[in-house]
Amino acid sequence: EAQVTQNPRYLITVTGKKLTVTCSQNMNHEYMSWYRQDPGLGLRQIYYSMNVEVTDKGDVPEGYKVSRKEKRNFPLILESPSPNQTSLYFCASSLLTGRLYGYTFGSGTRLTVV
Amino acid sequence: AQKITQTQPGMFVQEKEAVTLDCTYDTSDPSYGLFWYKQPSSGEMIFLIYQGSYDQQNATEGRYSLNFQKARKSANLVISASQLGDSAMYFCAMREGGLGSNYKLTFGKGTLLTVNP
Repeated sequence: EAQVTQNPRYLITVTGKKLTVTCSQNMNHEYMSWYRQDPGLGLRQIYYSMNVEVTDKGDVPEGYKVSRKEKRNFPLILESPSPNQTSLYFCASSLLTGRLYGYTFGSGTRLTVV
Repeated sequence: AQKITQTQPGMFVQEKEAVTLDCTYDTSDPSYGLFWYKQPSSGEMIFLIYQGSYDQQNATEGRYSLNFQKARKSANLVISASQLGDSAMYFCAMREGGLGSNYKLTFGKGTLLTVNP
């Protein structure tokens, strides 16, 4: 089944404790992206990647890191999480060639930083 | 300026009736795609329908249709014969294809649809 797999689904952590949210897709998509969703602010892009070893900042990159060492994986790293990073996070992927494809989303990660 | 505007924070509809969710967009890129996603209370993002800027016909997918008015820059979602399971948040989104666009999907703030029995 074509899908984007995010883990974990739920995470409660403490301020300053490094964490990684994993994201993997099995559709050979070139493009991957991370979003955060907050009430009243909608979905905002954190980072994106056009292909392996090609990553760039989105609209709200502060406090986050990403890497794209393999085409299928795009982990999101919070080196020193803070309470303002409490949010619902989505990983998404898409093709880049041809028509303007929409994203396939992962199921989301609900992160709480206390 | 907002690229995607959804002016209805909340909408109510009776079961089996049709409902229109509004979306206007702003872009100077001739090549773009418009999308609608549904987010139920469980949180996942479900793709509903796509309209390309060069598509001549309005998109339809089952009970969903997109009323695309290019000159007015609007892309309203029409849900026919509403069902209780349609109660969810609905997001309109746009992806521009021009150079420098980074192919980002830009979302509106969403419309919360409630279907009443």
